[in-house]
Amino acid sequence: KNEVEQSPQNLTAQEGEFITINCSYSVGISALHWLQQHPGGGIVSLFMLSSGKKKHGRLIATINIQEKHSSLHITASHPRDSAVYICAVCGLAGGTSYGKLTFGQGTILTVHP
Amino acid sequence: ETGVTQSPTHLIKTRGQQVTLRCSSQSGHNTVSWYQQALGQGPQFIFQYYREEENGRGNFPPRFSGLQFPNYSSELNVNALELDDSALYLCASSRGGGGSIDTQYFGPGTRLTVL
Repeated sequence: KNEVEQSPQNLTAQEGEFITINCSYSVGISALHWLQQHPGGGIVSLFMLSSGKKKHGRLIATINIQEKHSSLHITASHPRDSAVYICAVCGLAGGTSYGKLTFGQGTILTVHP
Repeated sequence: ETGVTQSPTHLIKTRGQQVTLRCSSQSGHNTVSWYQQALGQGPQFIFQYYREEENGRGNFPPRFSGLQFPNYSSELNVNALELDDSALYLCASSRGGGGSIDTQYFGPGTRLTVL
């Protein structure tokens, strides 16, 4: 079992729909990152969070440390949101995983007009 | 754009050869991390450099090595290339203290093909 699991693996939506992508992890973490990757490879950091909730435009990220779970929400989705969304975690300070990111396998989102 | 640049963008090598990939970090950043992303997979952490010293390493063999220079740019070297080394190699820079608890700024990647 991977340390970081995302669901769903593939997601298709119609423009305007509310989208949720989930990330579960099995280790203690110091931070969780949500990343966006477009075809061609470029990765953009969307959020880094260690507690609570962050919002940027139509994107909202939440994390529940006790449940080891995070969600990325996209409100009023648009075709330009089509990309791969990747969750990545950084291990706790003092542990062997501190200083490195462990990635989920990504969620492929396609938004149709 | 993040300000992180990588070169070259594409590279084709044959098995057994050696390759050097380069990354220039964003201004003000002293930490560079390298990742390997095979087709259809999430990235895998290779190693991280902070102020010219290796600061964490993933499960990659010693033929993957790196350097960070005083201007915080970095190189990834891979010796004795194998077919499975074909992947997108990404670098990311961040500021302040190593670890991955800062926002990571990714470069566009180098696509390496090993024949």
